[in-house]
Amino acid sequence: SQTIHQWPATLVQPVGSPLSLECTVEGTSNPNLYWYRQAAGRGLQLLFYSVGIGQISSEVPQNLSASRPQDRQFILSSKKLLLSDSGFYLCAWSRDRGSNSPLHFGNGTRLTVT
Amino acid sequence: GESVGLHLPTLSVQEGDNSIINCAYSNSASDYFIWYKQESGKGPQFIIDIRSNMDKRQGQRVTVLLNKTVKHLSLQIAATQPGDSAVYFCAENRDDKIIFGKGTRLHILP
Repeated sequence: SQTIHQWPATLVQPVGSPLSLECTVEGTSNPNLYWYRQAAGRGLQLLFYSVGIGQISSEVPQNLSASRPQDRQFILSSKKLLLSDSGFYLCAWSRDRGSNSPLHFGNGTRLTVT
Repeated sequence: GESVGLHLPTLSVQEGDNSIINCAYSNSASDYFIWYKQESGKGPQFIIDIRSNMDKRQGQRVTVLLNKTVKHLSLQIAATQPGDSAVYFCAENRDDKIIFGKGTRLHILP
């Protein structure tokens, strides 16, 4: 069966510091990978998605970037965090993009920028 | 902006009763819909999905109904249990992206 791992679960970082959140998927190959952000009490906003190694699409302009160095690894980064980057970051994978398959989420990283 | 939204932010239901969570969408071209359950501190968990060529789909204790005429989606949970307490999101596949609504919190009364 497929599993998705995100770490760390919680993170407190000062403004201006760098960020690296990692997500890995097991049990499947060539997944579509996604980063979402969820503000408190709100829905999920799509930040990035990737259909293959080195292929990243950004949905919204922001202070963050994403990379996919390996087939089942997806990294969310920032060079300098802003207070507004605080939130709950969720990684997800799907089998097929655009062919009606559900997303499967990790348990998220709660980031607090102080 | 979001095209998927919910009628009620909070729904309180007596334990053992059926729950109905509603969702409206605005894009008639959306062809795939999903319901997720999110417990506190966790990622959303897939519950059930439905394609636009169907109007009803059943799972274990859950039923999703799709009314394309009025662009309405609902999730019915039978015999609601304390473990059903969570935030429920509907989502749609639009332009190859999964777009989420804001969520409904389901509160179970003892």
